[in-house]
Amino acid sequence: QKEVEQDPGPLSVPEGAIVSLNCTYSNSAFQYFMWYRQYSRKGPELLMYTYSSGNKEDGRFTAQVDKSSKYISLFIRDSQPSDSATYLCAMRLNRKLIWGLGTSLAVNP
Amino acid sequence: DTGVSQDPRHKITKRGQNVTFRCDPISEHNRLYWYRQTLGQGPEFLTYFQNEAQLEKSRLLSDRFSAERPKGSFSTLEIQRTEQGDSAMYLCASSLVQGAGGQFFGPGTRLTVL
Repeated sequence: QKEVEQDPGPLSVPEGAIVSLNCTYSNSAFQYFMWYRQYSRKGPELLMYTYSSGNKEDGRFTAQVDKSSKYISLFIRDSQPSDSATYLCAMRLNRKLIWGLGTSLAVNP
Repeated sequence: DTGVSQDPRHKITKRGQNVTFRCDPISEHNRLYWYRQTLGQGPEFLTYFQNEAQLEKSRLLSDRFSAERPKGSFSTLEIQRTEQGDSAMYLCASSLVQGAGGQFFGPGTRLTVL
C-alpha cells in the first residue's frame, strides 16, 4: 500500500462545476498537507498549504483536512477551462514531501 | 521574476554523455531540493541542501548523480554516463527552513537521453 493514495482520473467536468479532488494517507505522522497544480510540461505550483484539521479557503479553492480519517480534499468552485491541469497532493514528514500520483482534470467550456 | 529558475529547460543528449543542470532558488530560501518526475507520477525526491550542506540523498541517487550548492545559493545537478532510464523531468524546489510554507518549484529541466 502506498503511503499516499490519489485517484489519477481523468476527471472531466463542465465549466462552472464544483470539483472535488481527494487523497487518503496511511501515516498519521504527516505534519503538513499541500495541493499543487501542474500544467503539462511545467513544474508544480503550490496552491494550498494546511497544517491542522479543518478547512482553508483561498478564492475559488478550499482545502479540507480530516486527520481522524486520514483524508484530504481540494474543492474548486466555479471551475474554469484554465483549471485544466493535474492536481497533486503532497504531505510533509520531517523534511520530505510524499506525493500522490496526481489527478488529471479537464474543465470543458 | 523572483521565483525558482532552472536552466536549461530542455536537454537532449546521447547515452553515455554527461549533463549538468542549474537551479537558482528564491533568494531568501535556505533549503533547496532536487526531484525527478516521470510521466504520470508524482515527483521523486533525490536530494536536498540546507544552505551549502547536502543533508540527505535518496537511494535513487546512484553514484552517477552528484549535486552541489557551493555557496548556499544556486545548485547544480550532474549526471555522468547518462542512460536512457535517466530521461525525465528534473525539478528543483526551494523553501524556508522552518515551519509554515511549502516548497516552491521551478519550471523543470526535461532531459531526453537518446
